[in-house]
Amino acid sequence: EAQVTQNPRYLITVTGKKLTVTCSQNMNHEYMSWYRQDPGLGLRQIYYSMNVEVTDKGDVPEGYKVSRKEKRNFPLILESPSPNQTSLYFCASSVLIQNTGTGQPQHFGDGTRLSIL
Amino acid sequence: TQLLEQSPQFLSIQEGENLTVYCNSSSVFSSLQWYRQEPGEGPVLLVTVVTGGEVKKLKRLTFQFGDARKDSSLHITAAQPGDTGLYLCAGGNYGQNFVFGPGTRLSVLP
Repeated sequence: EAQVTQNPRYLITVTGKKLTVTCSQNMNHEYMSWYRQDPGLGLRQIYYSMNVEVTDKGDVPEGYKVSRKEKRNFPLILESPSPNQTSLYFCASSVLIQNTGTGQPQHFGDGTRLSIL
Repeated sequence: TQLLEQSPQFLSIQEGENLTVYCNSSSVFSSLQWYRQEPGEGPVLLVTVVTGGEVKKLKRLTFQFGDARKDSSLHITAAQPGDTGLYLCAGGNYGQNFVFGPGTRLSVLP
């Protein structure tokens, strides 16, 4: 079954304690991205990656890091989480559409709800 | 930054009614997508439209991309409780990230 898997699904932690949210896809997609979803603001892109070792900032990258060492995995790292990073996070993947120069998010994980106290 | 607006923000209707939700922007997009998101789950892609004036149908759902590729609409015929959810539109252009609208939350009452 084609899927994007995020872990953990829920996490409550404290300010400043480093955390990693993992994302894995089994569809051999080139393009992967991370979004956060906040009420009234929709989905905002944090970082994206067009292939292994290729990452770039989205619209709200401050306070986050990513890496793409393998095609299937795209972890999101919060080095020093703060309360304003409390949100619902989604990882997404897609094939890289060559004539658009970007990916079209097509497959989303089920989300990770982070609470930073 | 390209922005997408969606209207209405909330919609509550009875089963069997028809409805239309809108996605608007002042920017031109080369493609536009519609998603449905249910509580506790990620968005699920419903359709992608790429040509101005394009109309696509998915069972009782009809999607239209505006002629100028700045807006789109989603029409649901004879809504059912299973249509309940958050409907999101997202637009993209060459070399740019997809931007999402804030969504329309639809509730279909039995």
